[in-house]
Amino acid sequence: EDQVTQSPEALRLQEGESSSLNCSYTVSGLRGLFWYRQDPGKGPEFLFTLYSAGEEKEKERLKATLTKKESFLHITAPKPEDSATYLCAVQAGGDDKIIFGKGTRLHILP
Amino acid sequence: DAGVTQSPTHLIKTRGQQVTLRCSPKSGHDTVSWYQQALGQGPQFIFQYYEEEERQRGNFPDRFSGHQFPNYSSELNVNALLLGDSALYLCASSLPPDTQYFGPGTRLTVL
Repeated sequence: EDQVTQSPEALRLQEGESSSLNCSYTVSGLRGLFWYRQDPGKGPEFLFTLYSAGEEKEKERLKATLTKKESFLHITAPKPEDSATYLCAVQAGGDDKIIFGKGTRLHILP
Repeated sequence: DAGVTQSPTHLIKTRGQQVTLRCSPKSGHDTVSWYQQALGQGPQFIFQYYEEEERQRGNFPDRFSGHQFPNYSSELNVNALLLGDSALYLCASSLPPDTQYFGPGTRLTVL
């Protein structure tokens, strides 16, 4: 069964303190791995799509990497406005649905 | 370029009632997917519509049904509402095989 597990569930960092969020996945033939950011009560905002092991993508203070079993979202020198829930999701080959993890709640303290 | 839009923003219903939620996809997108997100959980796939047909369905009962119109907009209908149906309902649009983009969601509360 296709599955996504994110860790940690919650993370509190000081402003400027870099860290990484983990997404472990089990899927039959990965078609794509997605990272979204979600603010409370709002819809997920697209960040990155990764397609194959070894791929990396960057956007401002965020960098996403992918291996055959997991993905990392690295956040460098975070600011309070980076506080949100970060969702990881996978799509299997030949499948239309996206399977989400439960997310990591990130809180950046000023 | 307008993104995905959903209406209404919030909705309060009582058990046993029926509800209809609406979604307009991002310009250029022809596929709409619906997700249910309970508090503290990730979104769960309900179904996907393409060319006015349900293309794939998640593990949701028949009380959940949908429709896609010729202009690609979509509706989600839920009959015989239960307390457990209270959630944030998300619509996502895409032009497969590309990424799904989400709307702001509709918060449904069932009393």
